[in-house]
Amino acid sequence: KQEVTQIPAALSVPEGENLVLNCSFTDSAIYNLQWFRQDPGKGLTSLLLIQSSQREQTSGRLNASLDKSSGRSTLYIAASQPGDSATYLCAVSSNSGYALNFGKGTSLLVTP
Amino acid sequence: DARVTQTPRHKVTEMGQEVTMRCQPILGHNTVFWYRQTMMQGLELLAYFRNRAPLDDSGMPKDRFSAEMPDATLATLKIQPSEPRDSAVYFCASGGQGVIGELFFGEGSRLTVL
Repeated sequence: KQEVTQIPAALSVPEGENLVLNCSFTDSAIYNLQWFRQDPGKGLTSLLLIQSSQREQTSGRLNASLDKSSGRSTLYIAASQPGDSATYLCAVSSNSGYALNFGKGTSLLVTP
Repeated sequence: DARVTQTPRHKVTEMGQEVTMRCQPILGHNTVFWYRQTMMQGLELLAYFRNRAPLDDSGMPKDRFSAEMPDATLATLKIQPSEPRDSAVYFCASGGQGVIGELFFGEGSRLTVL
């Protein structure tokens, strides 16, 4: 069974810092990997999706990388802002059926 | 603005009562998922459908849970009888168009069973 782990569980940084969130998975035979954002009391918003054949994806201040062989992904957030405060979840799909296995998330707080 | 719609947003009920949660996927999406989120377990997959056919419901306690798609615009998750341990947020997600594998989540149904 695919296990997805996210480190750290919580992170607090001052505004303006660059930061890295980590995700690891046990089975490298993945179809894709997605990073989501979840605000309190809300649903999940897809941030970036990396197909298994890709190494990274970028959107604005966000960059996600994927190393399938080592079972790792990182989400890089540049110049963090208080509005980035949320929980960030990593999820992997192990077949073309799209079913995602989620990590438990990293709770990020960016202080002004 | 296409989005996944879930009802009810909040539900408080007593143990033993039947609970039905509904989901309207994004029009044209052919894959629908039900997830449950708790503090302890995080997000767990309960069931998913493709073209209205159930593909995997192994994550669902089958003695009390059932999931159906009566038509392409409606997915339901039913719990009968409900128990306090079912208290969680239940999310519906849909996908199938555009970027392969991208999922769009509803805002969830928060269930409290007393």
